Amino acid sequence: GEDVEQSLFLSVREGDSSVINCTYTDSSSTYLYWYKQEPGAGLQLLTYIFSNMDMKQDQRLTVLLNKKDKHLSLRIADTQTGDSAIYFCAETLLDTGRRALTFGSGTRLQVQP
Amino acid sequence: DAGVTQSPTHLIKTRGQQVTLRCSPKSGHDTVSWYQQALGQGPQFIFQYYEEEERQRGNFPDRFSGHQFPNYSSELNVNALLLGDSALYLCASSVGRSVRDTQYFGPGTRLTVL
Repeated sequence: GEDVEQSLFLSVREGDSSVINCTYTDSSSTYLYWYKQEPGAGLQLLTYIFSNMDMKQDQRLTVLLNKKDKHLSLRIADTQTGDSAIYFCAETLLDTGRRALTFGSGTRLQVQP
Repeated sequence: DAGVTQSPTHLIKTRGQQVTLRCSPKSGHDTVSWYQQALGQGPQFIFQYYEEEERQRGNFPDRFSGHQFPNYSSELNVNALLLGDSALYLCASSVGRSVRDTQYFGPGTRLTVL
């Protein structure tokens, strides 16, 4: 089966790096996503990585994937107050052709000035 | 280029009533998925529509039904509302049905059942 887990809360100071972690249980080929949700808003796609990759970098965002441990992380460099939001890790399976996203419960990132 | 739009933004209903939520996909997208997000939780997949048919369904009862129109827009219908149906309902659109196609989300409809 598939299950995605995240830590609930992270607090950092402005200018520091943030690292948000996620674990998933399904060992099938998959795409893994990071979405951002601000209060009262929908989900904004930040980045994604395919399970045969180890790392992906996109401006201030770096995604690291440890396939052995089924561990995914999102690093935000130079964190700003505007980065305060809930971050969701999600996966979708490739081999079954399924399109449904399975989400974690989200990590609330609080950036202190 | 308009993104995914949803209406209404907020809705208040009472138990037992029926509700219809609407979604217009991002321009060029032909696949619509619906998710339910309860307070403090991640979104849960309800179902997905492509070529006007339900293609995949999550673990939701038959009270939840949907429709996709020829212009790719979609409706989510919920019958016999329960208090537990109170949530943010999110619509996501994508191109085709390949698992590689990224889903883009709308702002959601917040449903409150009293």
